[in-house]
Amino acid sequence: DVKVTQSSRYLVKRTGEKVFLECVQDMDHENMFWYRQDPGLGLRLIYFSYDVKMKEKGDIPEGYSVSREKKERFSLILESASTNQTSMYLCASSLGVNLAPLHFGNGTRLTVT
Amino acid sequence: AQSVTQLGSHVSVSEGALVLLRCNYSSSVPPYLFWYVQYPNQGLQLLLKYTSAATLVKGINGFEAEFKKSETSFHLTKPSAHMSDAAEYFCAVSAMNSGYSTLTFGKGTMLLVSP
Repeated sequence: DVKVTQSSRYLVKRTGEKVFLECVQDMDHENMFWYRQDPGLGLRLIYFSYDVKMKEKGDIPEGYSVSREKKERFSLILESASTNQTSMYLCASSLGVNLAPLHFGNGTRLTVT
Repeated sequence: AQSVTQLGSHVSVSEGALVLLRCNYSSSVPPYLFWYVQYPNQGLQLLLKYTSAATLVKGINGFEAEFKKSETSFHLTKPSAHMSDAAEYFCAVSAMNSGYSTLTFGKGTMLLVSP
């Protein structure tokens, strides 16, 4: 089974802090994604990557950046955390073929105070 | 731009009753459509997907969905609900994003199953 591991289940940070959310997948998937999930809004795509060192903006990239230095790892960075970034963050990966199923991690619930 | 609309943020059924979760899509090209399920404190899991083969798609755990182009719908059904089906369900449609294919998700429907 594909395993997508997010380093923290719960995270509490202060406004203005730089925050790193880490995601690792163990199935050599080319594609990796970061979504945020908010009640009543569903999942919204923040950034995605189709290859090492490659990144593309999703629908809501403002306030975020990403890093993909190795194929198995995709990091989401909040340069200066704000309270409106309090949310559940979900990482996902998929094979290189378009529209292959997404495999999700269990999520990181980030609270910014 | 492609989008999906899920009708009803919450749906309540009794155990053994029919489950019907509604999804309508908007797409300028033939869509690929998906249903995912999220159990409490977990990530999303794929239930089923439509990729322009058969219009009736069977998924895991007894769920199925029918693609109806004339109605732009992809509703999810299960003949008999189990308590273990209580979860949040998301419909998703393929979308082109900077030349790459990504998924756009609906807002989700929480399924509540009572004994």
